[in-house]
Amino acid sequence: GNSVTQMEGPVTLSEEAFLTINCTYTATGYPSLFWYVQYPGEGLQLLLKATKADDKGSNKGFEATYRKETTSFHLEKGSVQVSDSAVYFCALSVTSSGSARQLTFGSGTQLTVLP
Amino acid sequence: DSGVTQTPKHLITATGQRVTLRCSPRSGDLSVYWYQQSLDQGLQFLIQYYNGEERAKGNILERFSAQQFPDLHSELNLSSLELGDSALYFCASSVVGSGGYNEQFFGPGTRLTVL
Repeated sequence: GNSVTQMEGPVTLSEEAFLTINCTYTATGYPSLFWYVQYPGEGLQLLLKATKADDKGSNKGFEATYRKETTSFHLEKGSVQVSDSAVYFCALSVTSSGSARQLTFGSGTQLTVLP
Repeated sequence: DSGVTQTPKHLITATGQRVTLRCSPRSGDLSVYWYQQSLDQGLQFLIQYYNGEERAKGNILERFSAQQFPDLHSELNLSSLELGDSALYFCASSVVGSGGYNEQFFGPGTRLTVL
């Protein structure tokens, strides 16, 4: 089956520090990979995505590269801000029977950035 | 604001009861997905509907059911509630349910508390 393994949290950083959140996956078929962010009291928002090997997704200073050889999609940001404090979810989607494209999520990583 | 609405925002009920959660997708989106977020299980896919028809099932209990109406809104019915059903229930919508990946837009969720 499909699964996503995420770096355990919580992660606490000082403002302007470098962020890495590790994500690895197993999938039957060729998945698309995503990072979602959940701010307190809100739903999930798509942060970035990559649909094929070696693609780099980027948004708001965050980046992640689809590495098929290591089945990984690590999230990075060079300089975090207090406003980046949230829960980050790595996820994948694989076409299944009937072409459904539901998401399989990792366990989430709570990030707190201190001023 | 994702454009996906969910009601109610909070629901408190007792064991053995039945509740209905409602979701209105973004205008033009034909696919609706339901996810459950709990502390012990994380974020799990429950079920997907596309243009009124069930498209895929995930880890949905037999006590739970869903449907999508002609106006494309969807309802998730939870019956014979147990303490373990307490969770945040998210609805997401996307343009289509097949073919290339279409971004899923998440609603703010309904927090269900079973006492």
